[in-house]
Amino acid sequence: QKEVEQNSGPLSVPEGAIASLNCTYSDRGSQSFFWYRQYSGKSPELIMFIYSNGDKEDGRFTAQLNKASQYVSLLIRDSQPSDSATYLCAVSPDSSYKLIFGSGTRLLVRP
Amino acid sequence: DAGVTQSPTHLIKTRGQQVTLRCSPKSGHDTVSWYQQALGQGPQFIFQYYEEEERQRGNFPDRFSGHQFPNYSSELNVNALLLGDSALYLCASSSAGTLDEQYFGPGTRLTVT
Repeated sequence: QKEVEQNSGPLSVPEGAIASLNCTYSDRGSQSFFWYRQYSGKSPELIMFIYSNGDKEDGRFTAQLNKASQYVSLLIRDSQPSDSATYLCAVSPDSSYKLIFGSGTRLLVRP
Repeated sequence: DAGVTQSPTHLIKTRGQQVTLRCSPKSGHDTVSWYQQALGQGPQFIFQYYEEEERQRGNFPDRFSGHQFPNYSSELNVNALLLGDSALYLCASSSAGTLDEQYFGPGTRLTVT
């Protein structure tokens, strides 16, 4: 079992729709959870991080964390074609300085 | 405000050679982490440097080594290059003890032939 799992996609949504990206992790002791966006040929950009169970909103983005189910998700409201990219979920195990990344979900927003 | 910078942008090496990649952290950051990203995969943690010491290391062989300088910049050295070392090498900087604001540099694309 991979430590961080994501559906590789592509997830295709029409412009203006809500895109829902999901991620599961295996280490129950994980404390910090991150979402990065990576455009083709570029480096990852931090979107947001979440530590506590529940929702965290930042503009059009909402991160949701459920530690009991070991599940973290990212919702993108009013999706735009410019949101088309690979979205990487990353987890930091307890007492660790490293991020463990999933392989990413490719999102395609159709005009 | 300068972000994370890396050099060179691209590099082509031959099997068995050695390579050095460089990274300057974002202004105000003192911690540097290195990641390897193979095509179609997420980044994999190589190691982190803080206060000029390796603070944590991932599952990479000893051929991968690093260094951090007093100005917080860092180098990644890879010896005895293998074809499988071909990847995008990413440097990320942050402040000590936190991953909240870890920002990645543009990366160095290494091709081993």
